[in-house]
Amino acid sequence: IAGITQAPTSQILAAGRRMTLRCTQDMRHNAMYWYRQDLGLGLRLIHYSNTAGTTGKGEVPDGYSVSRANTDDFPLTLASAVPSQTSVYFCASSDSTKSNTEAFFGQGTRLTVV
Amino acid sequence: EDKVVQSPLSLVVHEGDTVTLNCSYEVTNFRSLLWYKQEKKAPTFLFMLTSSGIEKKSGRLSSILDKKELFSILNITATQTGDSAIYLCAPKKGGKLIFGQGTELSVKP
Repeated sequence: IAGITQAPTSQILAAGRRMTLRCTQDMRHNAMYWYRQDLGLGLRLIHYSNTAGTTGKGEVPDGYSVSRANTDDFPLTLASAVPSQTSVYFCASSDSTKSNTEAFFGQGTRLTVV
Repeated sequence: EDKVVQSPLSLVVHEGDTVTLNCSYEVTNFRSLLWYKQEKKAPTFLFMLTSSGIEKKSGRLSSILDKKELFSILNITATQTGDSAIYLCAPKKGGKLIFGQGTELSVKP
């Protein structure tokens, strides 16, 4: 069982370039999330999706976009990367149809924008 | 605005010590509070607390939630080097986790 798979595991990206971080889950969870983790700031929610076809903005959505064409995939796109987007990005999923269930996290993508 | 503050931010102890990690929150109308352990990469789930005053226990780890005083604590007894990690607490509101900054625990041999 793979759980949640993120790709790539790490990337160095030139400022101004477009980049898509991939996230796939095989647990048939309805809800998916993207977080970024920065030193001293914990994990902050970028975007989320409660079900296929819907998305919503989290705490720090600017400069990012997401889509949820199907249940399994939730890609995160940086249209024009900036150095402040250097971070570790985590994708997560949960079955929010059940009350009080935990979220499962992918292994993260370390992104450096230079 | 919802806010979660963990303390201390970092902690160094020796094997065998007992530690208490704190999580204070200003979050209204949440259903549960979760604790995660993060070693090298992905956070892994430890506990989910839904009711105030009921302790959850797993081996040397235990946790409790106080909804009146708005905090939760995570206790680790007889610490081991394998407990070295970042510990994250997160109230769950509207299906979304609201994380604190985390406490970085380092256990020395």
